[in-house]
Amino acid sequence: DTGVSQDPRHKITKRGQNVTFRCDPISEHNRLYWYRQTLGQGPEFLTYFQNEAQLEKSRLLSDRFSAERPKGSFSTLEIQRTEQGDSAMYLCASSPHNSKSNYGYTFGSGTRLTVV
Amino acid sequence: SQKIEQNSEALNIQEGKTATLTCNYTNYSPAYLQWYRQDPGRGPVFLLLIRENEKEKRKERLKVTFDTTLKQSLFHITASQPADSATYLCALGTGTASKLTFGTGTRLQVTL
Repeated sequence: DTGVSQDPRHKITKRGQNVTFRCDPISEHNRLYWYRQTLGQGPEFLTYFQNEAQLEKSRLLSDRFSAERPKGSFSTLEIQRTEQGDSAMYLCASSPHNSKSNYGYTFGSGTRLTVV
Repeated sequence: SQKIEQNSEALNIQEGKTATLTCNYTNYSPAYLQWYRQDPGRGPVFLLLIRENEKEKRKERLKVTFDTTLKQSLFHITASQPADSATYLCALGTGTASKLTFGTGTRLQVTL
């Protein structure tokens, strides 16, 4: 296992188009997180899954954003009708479930989205 | 409102010195705090975790302190090297099942 993989690394799209990103977490990690990061800011939480269940979604997330994690393995994040304000780095992270939260997140390298 | 503050200005230090980065928070009761390193164009990399009942944690040249009274964590890199140049993020977690909330990060530049 080589860590968390995200695809694509870069995506340029026209405003109004739909885009979908994929994340493959570390196989033994049952938690998966999506974050968004803009220049000069820290990662901002979007949503997270435990296995296939989506347990929390940010209130800041519009209805144009949807995420899935079928069968508790890989995850996809879809943005419909993209806007220029959606331009950002989209980061995926995974962690093992641990009642004492001993572990940090393992992040992927991100997908950089540019909406033109 | 809840806030996590890190120095927005870059920290410039000379090689061999100790770098100290600050993370302050308000209106949080974190169960634990984590520090990450982020290089340009890459995802953050986990460095250290410290719990609310711990005062200090060390790992090689890294040391983290956590003062829940002051609502502050300090992150130290001793004998700093140019390879330590990066952005360092602090992140708070409020429970075993909750997500992390990140600060804005502090950029560290270590020069020869």
